[in-house]
Amino acid sequence: NAGVMQNPRHLVRRRGQEARLRCSPMKGHSHVYWYRQLPEEGLKFMVYLQKENIIDESGMPKERFSAEFPKEGPSILRIQQVVRGDSAAYFCASSPETGVSNQPQHFGDGTRLSIL
Amino acid sequence: GESVGLHLPTLSVQEGDNSIINCAYSNSASDYFIWYKQESGKGPQFIIDIRSNMDKRQGQRVTVLLNKTVKHLSLQIAATQPGDSAVYFCAENPGNTGKLIFGQGTTLQVKP
Repeated sequence: NAGVMQNPRHLVRRRGQEARLRCSPMKGHSHVYWYRQLPEEGLKFMVYLQKENIIDESGMPKERFSAEFPKEGPSILRIQQVVRGDSAAYFCASSPETGVSNQPQHFGDGTRLSIL
Repeated sequence: GESVGLHLPTLSVQEGDNSIINCAYSNSASDYFIWYKQESGKGPQFIIDIRSNMDKRQGQRVTVLLNKTVKHLSLQIAATQPGDSAVYFCAENPGNTGKLIFGQGTTLQVKP
């Protein structure tokens, strides 16, 4: 019964490089969500995806950030040309196929992104 | 606008006492609420949830109370243990959007 798996756990990038964060949902879950957490703050919603579809990306910056959840393989959050302000913990959550309505989201342990 | 907030940033309790963590929300459309526990270096861990058609829900050592009149949510932990030390977040799901809105969090410190 593996939970939500995220990798890498820690990622260091220099300004201008690209960061790729991966998330494999729990078995049987087809809804994936990405959140960002700054130190001493709560999580902020970024994007909600189902297989091959972006459902809601209202919390994701329009530039440099993109997300996908292909038919096969993990969900990817991609940050291009990273800047120091992108340093944060990025969490992925998943929920069951029965839909988002009143279903708890289960979280992975996150990727800590540090920008030098 | 939409917001979920917590009244106290830090709560310190004696081991064995009961803990009460509070949360206020502002979106009347929210119909589903969740409490999460986050330990250092880990992701939020689901504790308990409640739907808006309920006032109270109990789990193992935890109880969530929902007061829709004043838009208030609380988490009660009975016989608090050192392992309960963590940051606790309430989250709401307005309008079944799948987009959870988190509060800032309350740090629970359990003194031996």
